[in-house]
Amino acid sequence: AQTVTQSQPEMSVQEAETVTLSCTYDTSESDYYLFWYKQPPSRQMILVIRQEAYKQQNATENRFSVNFQKAAKSFSLKISDSQLGDAAMYFCAYRGYNTDKLIFGTGTRLQVFP
Amino acid sequence: DAGVTQSPTHLIKTRGQQVTLRCSPISGHKSVSWYQQVLGQGPQFIFQYYEKEERGRGNFPDRFSARQFPNYSSELNVNALLLGDSALYLCASSLWDPLANYGYTFGSGTRLTVV
Repeated sequence: AQTVTQSQPEMSVQEAETVTLSCTYDTSESDYYLFWYKQPPSRQMILVIRQEAYKQQNATENRFSVNFQKAAKSFSLKISDSQLGDAAMYFCAYRGYNTDKLIFGTGTRLQVFP
Repeated sequence: DAGVTQSPTHLIKTRGQQVTLRCSPISGHKSVSWYQQVLGQGPQFIFQYYEKEERGRGNFPDRFSARQFPNYSSELNVNALLLGDSALYLCASSLWDPLANYGYTFGSGTRLTVV
């Protein structure tokens, strides 16, 4: 069975600085998809960034980028130029190739200080 | 365009009662999935419905059931409620194309409290 582990329950960063959130996963599949979701107090899960396992190039979305290490089964999220609005719970998630099921980690609470 | 809508937003039920949660997907999305998020944890997959058929089921007891209607909206039913069923229930809709890296759109959830 696939698992997703986020080992940092909480992280903090100052505005305009850079922070990296860690995620590791376990799977025996070779094709899969990885996601980072943000959940603010409004509770709605918002997609931050996604990565296809068959792509070696790391995904980037504006201030958000990932470091995808397939052999190490690691998928970290880097947030550059942090903003107060980035404060939220961040969840790493895995989806197998032929399923709609998302497997989430336990989340990392990110605090952003002015 | 309307996003994924869930109703009600909050609900308080007594142990042993039954509850029905509702979800309307984004227009054009034929897949609806349900997740349970207990406080302090990540969401756990409960069900996926696609074209009105169950396509996936998580490790939840038979007290949990769901269905999808011809307009692709969905209901999640939970019978014989337990205190441990207290959680945020999230609905996600998608296009569900196994060959593509599609996205999911989540609703804001229904907060269920069992007392």
